[in-house]
Amino acid sequence: GAGVSQSPSNKVTEKGKDVELRCDPISGHTALYWYRQSLGQGLEFLIYFQGNSAPDKSGLPSDRFSAERTGGSVSTLTIQRTQQEDSAVYLCASSPSGRGNEPQHFGDGTRLSIL
Amino acid sequence: GDSVTQMEGPVTLSEEAFLTINCTYTATGYPSLFWYVQYPGEGLQLLLKATKADDKGSNKGFEATYRKETTSFHLEKGSVQVSDSAVYFCALSVGDSSYKLIFGSGTRLLVRP
Repeated sequence: GAGVSQSPSNKVTEKGKDVELRCDPISGHTALYWYRQSLGQGLEFLIYFQGNSAPDKSGLPSDRFSAERTGGSVSTLTIQRTQQEDSAVYLCASSPSGRGNEPQHFGDGTRLSIL
Repeated sequence: GDSVTQMEGPVTLSEEAFLTINCTYTATGYPSLFWYVQYPGEGLQLLLKATKADDKGSNKGFEATYRKETTSFHLEKGSVQVSDSAVYFCALSVGDSSYKLIFGSGTRLLVRP
């Protein structure tokens, strides 16, 4: 079946521009996560959505980062006024119900490069 | 806070050698433990998991046992292949508000023919 789909796969933009990254989770999965993979920081949690509950935004590094999830399915991660330190691979994952013993299924990521 | 510590790489082995990648964790609750693998040019894939003490996760010849007494989840394989060359991440998930994954820094494995 279809896995987690992310777009675009690569994004190059100039410092100061806004970017939007998209994630389409596995159908029926209620839990959705965003992570960031960078050389200096490894894999870091950014934000978590579960059904209609308020999202856990505890991992967002600054108020330039925001995310939404519409209709309990597709999610968009937005970075405003991008900085060079935002360059990283942004990974989306989903799981059936968000329980801790469930594995998370990852997309291939969006590689973001800030010039 | 909760954390995962992995042995630093790269680990370079000859084909058919025995593999161990060490992983230890710190957690305030009772975590589930995972190994994920990232092959070159690909995304993260679940390799195996264990959800309670003394559980053994296994897949593709890899094994790891959840050791609560030593807070460890070491990855082992008896005979590695060139195709096992990848980056391996140990991770934990513990219940707070989100069951987010907390990852180790990753260990690169290179298997030579």
